[in-house]
Amino acid sequence: GESVGLHLPTLSVQEGDNSIINCAYSNSASDYFIWYKQESGKGPQFIIDIRSNMDKRQGQRVTVLLNKTVKHLSLQIAATQPGDSAVYFCAEPRSLMDTGRRALTFGSGTRLQVQP
Amino acid sequence: DAGVIQSPRHEVTEMGQEVTLRCKPISGHDYLFWYRQTMMRGLELLIYFNNNVPIDDSGMPEDRFSAKMPNASFSTLKIQPSEPRDSAVYFCASSFGQGNTEAFFGQGTRLTVV
Repeated sequence: GESVGLHLPTLSVQEGDNSIINCAYSNSASDYFIWYKQESGKGPQFIIDIRSNMDKRQGQRVTVLLNKTVKHLSLQIAATQPGDSAVYFCAEPRSLMDTGRRALTFGSGTRLQVQP
Repeated sequence: DAGVIQSPRHEVTEMGQEVTLRCKPISGHDYLFWYRQTMMRGLELLIYFNNNVPIDDSGMPEDRFSAKMPNASFSTLKIQPSEPRDSAVYFCASSFGQGNTEAFFGQGTRLTVV
């Protein structure tokens, strides 16, 4: 779920290593999740998504794992590169009012720093 | 398509002035979202529209904030009067379909109220 705070958790990895970024969510009824990447000075950019009927989905160098039992989501980046340095957000659709429709709400994010 | 286009990219204004942020969504998208990003509160949803109609404005912080979408290709977020605590990056995003699809974000407008 969402959290509010001044300090983003930071993950520092060496270039070429694998990165794992974690996200916890609170709504057991959530059925769709997205990972976004935000580089400095830019808007969030879609990386990969997963629906709740899946527990794993792979993209190019990225894998998302979903554990519905513990309400946990992770993003794995293989062979991390300097260009992967950014803030990563997990997002899920929520209905904020009784409208029957939903909008993406975002977690607080994790900063990934890739050391050359 | 050029993606979601926001203007201006940067805005510096004095406290008390009116500020208008603009957004052009991706053509064909039927949902438009306004978000605000700050260090303290992260990325917050302010309001969103479906087919130009406001659906949920529960995230709008105060009556000083208002948003309109007069047609499918244009939306504005207005702050009147602006205050220093409104300083943030404001993002517009659009999607085809609600919630359970990818939203595409603009580059954002960095607002500084002095």
